[in-house]
Amino acid sequence: KAGVTQTPRYLIKTRGQQVTLSCSPISGHRSVSWYQQTPGQGLQFLFEYFSETQRNKGNFPGRFSGRQFSNSRSEMNVSTLELGDSALYLCASSFYGEGTDTQYFGPGTRLTVL
Amino acid sequence: AQKITQTQPGMFVQEKEAVTLDCTYDTSDQSYGLFWYKQPSSGEMIFLIYQGSYDEQNATEGRYSLNFQKARKSANLVISASQLGDSAMYFCAMREAFQGAQKLVFGQGTRLTINP
Repeated sequence: KAGVTQTPRYLIKTRGQQVTLSCSPISGHRSVSWYQQTPGQGLQFLFEYFSETQRNKGNFPGRFSGRQFSNSRSEMNVSTLELGDSALYLCASSFYGEGTDTQYFGPGTRLTVL
Repeated sequence: AQKITQTQPGMFVQEKEAVTLDCTYDTSDQSYGLFWYKQPSSGEMIFLIYQGSYDEQNATEGRYSLNFQKARKSANLVISASQLGDSAMYFCAMREAFQGAQKLVFGQGTRLTINP
């Protein structure tokens, strides 16, 4: 069974630009969560989608948005990039995103903002 | 809000020795779940082991076991017979539920280095 895939793996952008990251969950998984990892803040929850609906959102500005498609694939978008947005963005999937569900992570997208 | 504390920023262990990575948590929920993940330098978070708050037995998965002490609110990861490939960051995480949806709250991690 294929794992969670994320594209692209690496991105370099400049301040003010926008970026879209993609995540394909494990087949059968309907919940997709996004996390940001930085050396200073550690791992922080961005948002979670289930059946194309955002169910939960972390404490991030509105520049961070996401969506989920009917095939459970998800994208996240960051507009008006800032230097502080440089981070590893991790996507995780699980069956229902609740209870004892285990979240399985993808390899991440490393975003560098210059 | 839930909180996870990992007090060991770094650990150095000789190959083949057992190692214990500490994790304490804080929650007022009666039902919760605890996870351990491994993150090699490549960046991917690899699921290792899960412990539910109502599980009576400590979880085990191959060389990994979880020393769950509910009264002390600790969930330490034990790796037996460490290998060079175990060198990585290790994160303890707790499931936080919000209106049916879960999110993971992570500790700051422990960098484990296995020496030959």
